[in-house]
Amino acid sequence: QKEVEQNSGPLSVPEGAIASLNCTYSDRGSQSFFWYRQYSGKSPELIMFIYSNGDKEDGRFTAQLNKASQYVSLLIRDSQPSDSATYLCAVNTWYGQNFVFGPGTRLSVLP
Amino acid sequence: DTEVTQTPKHLVMGMTNKKSLKCEQHMGHRAMYWYKQKAKKPPELMFVYSYEKLSINESVPSRFSPECPNSSLLNLHLHALQPEDSALYLCASSQDRNSNQPQHFGDGTRLSIL
Repeated sequence: QKEVEQNSGPLSVPEGAIASLNCTYSDRGSQSFFWYRQYSGKSPELIMFIYSNGDKEDGRFTAQLNKASQYVSLLIRDSQPSDSATYLCAVNTWYGQNFVFGPGTRLSVLP
Repeated sequence: DTEVTQTPKHLVMGMTNKKSLKCEQHMGHRAMYWYKQKAKKPPELMFVYSYEKLSINESVPSRFSPECPNSSLLNLHLHALQPEDSALYLCASSQDRNSNQPQHFGDGTRLSIL
């Protein structure tokens, strides 16, 4: 069983729509959750992180965490073509071990 | 621009060459990481340094040799690499290994083995 799972996509949304990216994890001891954006050929760029159940908003981005259901999601409002990238979910366990990355979801925002 | 600086950005080397990748951060972070990333795959952890000591070696072949000269610098020495080692090599740092703080990535070194 994979520790962190994401739909590989591609997820296609029209410009201006809300893009919803989901991530599930298997380790109930996981404490912190991170979303990275990676453009083709570039390095991962931190978008948001969340530790507590509920929502956390930063501009057009909202991270949602539900520890009981073991999922974390990222919503991108008013999607732009420049948001087209691979989005990596990363989970850090309670015992301070390293990030476990999901396989990533490729998002395509269509003009 | 990132606060983690990696050099060189691109490297082409033969299988008999010896080269080094360099990484530097000035954020006062005490944990530094090397990752390998192949196309369309997530980053794959290679090594972790915590307070300048190697704390994790994820069964990486000995042709990759990490070094942490001080808290700001991380090197990856390469020797006798194979064509399948061609990849993007990423350096990252975080406040320390046991916090919940995120890892910050450098721009990476694109390595090609001939």
